[in-house]
Amino acid sequence: AQTVTQSQPEMSVQEAETVTLSCTYDTSESDYYLFWYKQPPSRQMILVIRQEAYKQQNATENRFSVNFQKAAKSFSLKISDSQLGDAAMYFCAYRRRDDKIIFGKGTRLHILP
Amino acid sequence: NAGVTQTPKFQVLKTGQSMTLQCAQDMNHNSMYWYRQDPGMGLRLIYYSASEGTTDKGEVPNGYNVSRLNKREFSLRLESAAPSQTSVYFCASSEVPSDTQYFGPGTRLTVL
Repeated sequence: AQTVTQSQPEMSVQEAETVTLSCTYDTSESDYYLFWYKQPPSRQMILVIRQEAYKQQNATENRFSVNFQKAAKSFSLKISDSQLGDAAMYFCAYRRRDDKIIFGKGTRLHILP
Repeated sequence: NAGVTQTPKFQVLKTGQSMTLQCAQDMNHNSMYWYRQDPGMGLRLIYYSASEGTTDKGEVPNGYNVSRLNKREFSLRLESAAPSQTSVYFCASSEVPSDTQYFGPGTRLTVL
C-alpha cells in the first residue's frame, strides 16, 4: 500500500533563510503525481507545487521548489527567502493510479522574525 | 467565482443523529472529494467522485455515504453520528484527478 511519510512534525526557520521540508513515499507505480499543499491558520488548503513523476525536471513556483528523486522516492520542498506568511502546516500528497490521494501527516513550519 | 463552498461551517450533533454536509463548486470540475482532518493524522480521503455519476470509497469510508447530485454538488451524509466522527471535514474538487485540488473552507463537526 502506498504511504507518504513526513518525518519532521515541526520545523523553524529564520525569516529570509532557506528551509527544506522532507517527504518520502512508498509505491510500486511508475506514473503518478506528487503535491505539496499549505494550510495556514485560516485552515484553507492551498496548492504550493505539483510534480509529475514522468518529468525529470524539478517543479518550481517562485520561492518554492522541489527536489524530486524518483529512485529514492523522495520529494522534498525547498522554501527560499522565507517570509512570515509562509508559516503554516505543509502536507505532501501522492496521487495513486486509481485517483485516490494519500496525504502525509504534515510538517508545521514556524518562521522566526 | 466562489470556488468550493461548504455548508455548514460548524455543527454539533448528539450521538446517533444524522446530518448531511453540503459541497458545491462553480469551476465546472469533473472530480470531487471528501476528506476528514484529525490532529496528527493529516487528511484522509473518505469518498471521491472522479466524474459525475461515479463515486468510490477512499481510505476511511465507514459510517459515511455520499451522493454526487450533479456536476456541481457532492454531499456527505452521516447516518448515525458517533464521537469518532468528530473532525474537520473538507470538500475539494479538481478538473481531473491528476490536477490540482481546490479545497473548501471546511466544516468543524463535533459529535457529543
